[in-house]
Amino acid sequence: DARVTQTPRHKVTEMGQEVTMRCQPILGHNTVFWYRQTMMQGLELLAYFRNRAPLDDSGMPKDRFSAEMPDATLATLKIQPSEPRDSAVYFCASYEGHLRSEAFFGQGTRLTVV
Amino acid sequence: KNEVEQSPQNLTAQEGEFITINCSYSVGISALHWLQQHPGGGIVSLFMLSSGKKKHGRLIATINIQEKHSSLHITASHPRDSAVYICAVRFSGGGADGLTFGKGTHLIIQP
Repeated sequence: DARVTQTPRHKVTEMGQEVTMRCQPILGHNTVFWYRQTMMQGLELLAYFRNRAPLDDSGMPKDRFSAEMPDATLATLKIQPSEPRDSAVYFCASYEGHLRSEAFFGQGTRLTVV
Repeated sequence: KNEVEQSPQNLTAQEGEFITINCSYSVGISALHWLQQHPGGGIVSLFMLSSGKKKHGRLIATINIQEKHSSLHITASHPRDSAVYICAVRFSGGGADGLTFGKGTHLIIQP
């Protein structure tokens, strides 16, 4: 049963700490997205990769957020230093990379920064 | 500006009722997705449409490309259908592949 796997599922951290979220896309999917969901803004695109190359990270605060894809089976989203306003659910999604292919979402990482 | 509008924002109905959720968007798209999210849960893709109509069980999704409008219908609704339904589109042109999301429709089906 192919699925997108995200870890951790929940993370509570203190302001100023580094947070790393991980995503394992579905094998064979060459396009990986990071989205953030908040009550106020809903779902927003943070960054995405195709064939491990970053294509768009314009939705991401560059001073504290970074996204990487060290290999085809792992995407990471890092926040350093974290702030309370970063509290949200972060979703990873992957798809095969042609415009009419279906997107598959992970279960999300619920981040709380106190 | 590329926008996605959903209506209604909230919907409460009785079990068995026919449900319709609407989505409209501002410019041309390459694909439209209907997503489902249960409280505290992950996001599940229900349909991906680029034209016409799709059906899966009690769920039906339609899209009118000329009108820039899509609807999600639920027949014989059931309390387990209670969830947030989100319309998301991939706008065509510009090379951007990311989805743009509507605000979601909070659906409650009462027994």
